[in-house]
Amino acid sequence: DAGITQSPRHKVTETGTPVTLRCHQTENHRYMYWYRQDPGHGLRLIHYSYGVKDTDKGEVSDGYSVSRSKTEDFLLTLESATSSQTSVYFCATMTSGSSYEQYFGPGTRLTVT
Amino acid sequence: DAKTTQPPSMDCAEGRAANLPCNHSTISGNEYVYWYRQIHSQGPQYIIHGLKNNETNEMASLIITEDRKSSTLILPHATLRDTAVYYCIAYKGGSQGNLIFGKGTKLSVKP
Repeated sequence: DAGITQSPRHKVTETGTPVTLRCHQTENHRYMYWYRQDPGHGLRLIHYSYGVKDTDKGEVSDGYSVSRSKTEDFLLTLESATSSQTSVYFCATMTSGSSYEQYFGPGTRLTVT
Repeated sequence: DAKTTQPPSMDCAEGRAANLPCNHSTISGNEYVYWYRQIHSQGPQYIIHGLKNNETNEMASLIITEDRKSSTLILPHATLRDTAVYYCIAYKGGSQGNLIFGKGTKLSVKP
């Protein structure tokens, strides 16, 4: 494992409130990713980062923003949570080598009521 | 990235080899075959990957056919802890990291 932790692990929030999920890694991996996993959809990429302050959109980025001010931390913010954002969120990291293996965190289960 | 096709479920007896097939008939020459697994409620776990040669590591072996249209993941001595959903992914690499996880194969290892 790449020493990836996610916080919180579980969260229930109300529609319209902002929510920030944190991903922390201890392996100094350059690349970091946020995915969401929903039944029937598999994992889908939300945003990714290829270095400090360098981020880009993934497949399902609407309603989400990210920030990476330090190598070890990658934050995912739901600007105004909606029920459709109820999901399990996984963070992943990847080294800058050529084998492109991704290492995943334990996930955050988010429920928007 | 090429689409992959896997059987939805398989059973395996504990201690026996588990052979998980994957079809990727449209794979392009620069796409690798990656295998991940996801044990219930946990994050996906990288297992192995290969381009055209067979590969082996401490977890599994990967056999890729010569035409690269299919592959087989082999868990040599399956244990109950290998019960998981196994995903076969064709991926050409790069930092964008958009792994396409399909439905995978639910492997049930039984005592």
